[in-house]
Amino acid sequence: DGGITQSPKYLFRKEGQNVTLSCEQNLNHDAMYWYRQDPGQGLRLIYYSQIVNDFQKGDIAEGYSVSREKKESFPLTVTSAQKNPTAFYLCASRMLAGGRSTDTQYFGPGTRLTVL
Amino acid sequence: AQKVTQAQTEISVVEKEDVTLDCVYETRDTTYYLFWYKQPPSGELVFLIRRNSFDEQNEISGRYSWNFQKSTSSFNFTITASQVVDSAVYFCALSEAGSARQLTFGSGTQLTVLP
Repeated sequence: DGGITQSPKYLFRKEGQNVTLSCEQNLNHDAMYWYRQDPGQGLRLIYYSQIVNDFQKGDIAEGYSVSREKKESFPLTVTSAQKNPTAFYLCASRMLAGGRSTDTQYFGPGTRLTVL
Repeated sequence: AQKVTQAQTEISVVEKEDVTLDCVYETRDTTYYLFWYKQPPSGELVFLIRRNSFDEQNEISGRYSWNFQKSTSSFNFTITASQVVDSAVYFCALSEAGSARQLTFGSGTQLTVLP
């Protein structure tokens, strides 16, 4: 089945540790995005990438890093510099050419990160 | 800068009632896109609808309908004959016509449909 997968579903981290969240898509989408969701709030953009080996900061990039070595994969690392990392993280992807679907981002199931 | 406002934080209705979720947006662009997403308790965002700024036709899909009015910068969502399975958080979002198409989300409306 085509779609976006994120792993793990739940992740626990001790303070001071870096953790990496996985996002994989087999939709052949060009662009990929990472969002953060805090309780009772909307989603905020962390990073996005429109092409392999290129990515841009979103509104809340501090304390996060990404890589885009393959079209299908866009992992997010939450570093120890992120002061309040406990949140729900959602990955999305979008096609860049090909009609109506190019305007729409499709989301994965999310990873819930808790810092202990 | 673009902004999306969903003034209704929580709404509760009884099954079979109609309910309208409000969305008001701000943007300086003349070309933009509006979206509604549903977030059930599992957390995944489910795409419901996309609208272009140059297409003001209202749309109906089963029990769902959307009313887009540029004059009032609103893109409201109505569920007719609500069902318990409609209980979720609903997000309105906006993207401008740049290549990145970043989404700006409203804060969401928690809809609870009671049996």
